[in-house]
Amino acid sequence: EAGVVQSPRYKIIEKKQPVAFWCNPISGHNTLYWYRQNLGQGPELLIRYENEEAVDDSQLPKDRFSAERLKGVDSTLKIQPAELGDSAVYLCASSLTPAFSYEQYFGPGTRLTVT
Amino acid sequence: KQEVTQIPAALSVPEGENLVLNCSFTDSAIYNLQWFRQDPGKGLTSLLLIQSSQREQTSGRLNASLDKSSGRSTLYIAASQPGDSATYLCAVSKSGYSTLTFGKGTMLLVSP
Repeated sequence: EAGVVQSPRYKIIEKKQPVAFWCNPISGHNTLYWYRQNLGQGPELLIRYENEEAVDDSQLPKDRFSAERLKGVDSTLKIQPAELGDSAVYLCASSLTPAFSYEQYFGPGTRLTVT
Repeated sequence: KQEVTQIPAALSVPEGENLVLNCSFTDSAIYNLQWFRQDPGKGLTSLLLIQSSQREQTSGRLNASLDKSSGRSTLYIAASQPGDSATYLCAVSKSGYSTLTFGKGTMLLVSP
């Protein structure tokens, strides 16, 4: 069974440029999460989807970040415009259902460097 | 707000030693606790998940315990190997929700 797939793995952009990350969760997993991990820190949730609905986006900086999961499967996270402080690893995770807090499975992440 | 603390921040041991990593959390109203492993430049690999009603879980050389009332968990690694070198992260989910709150991790180095 394929795991969580993310692309690209690495991205280097100049500040003020836009960037997008893509995630395909494990087949059948209806809950999808985007986390951001700064160097030396644990991941922090940006947004959580249950199917195509964003049910927790309280930590998403909505002035520059946006996300979508149109068909309740894969998802895209976008930053526009990027700032130096956005340099981090962006992790996508999926799980079966939130009600029973099933185990979360993580993708390899996208390492973003903003110069 | 839930806070998760992991001690020590870094640990270096010779191969073959048994070791314990510690995790504490401030709000005992958790649904479950997960231990993850993260290799440099890689994503997170789930090691063990303990439901709040459980006291421990075991997988191979790994044993995780949970004392929900005191807000503590430990990850015990038996007979450590150089391949165990990685950062180990502890995370808790809030009762009724699945969002994980992570600690900063313990960076483990096992030398041959």
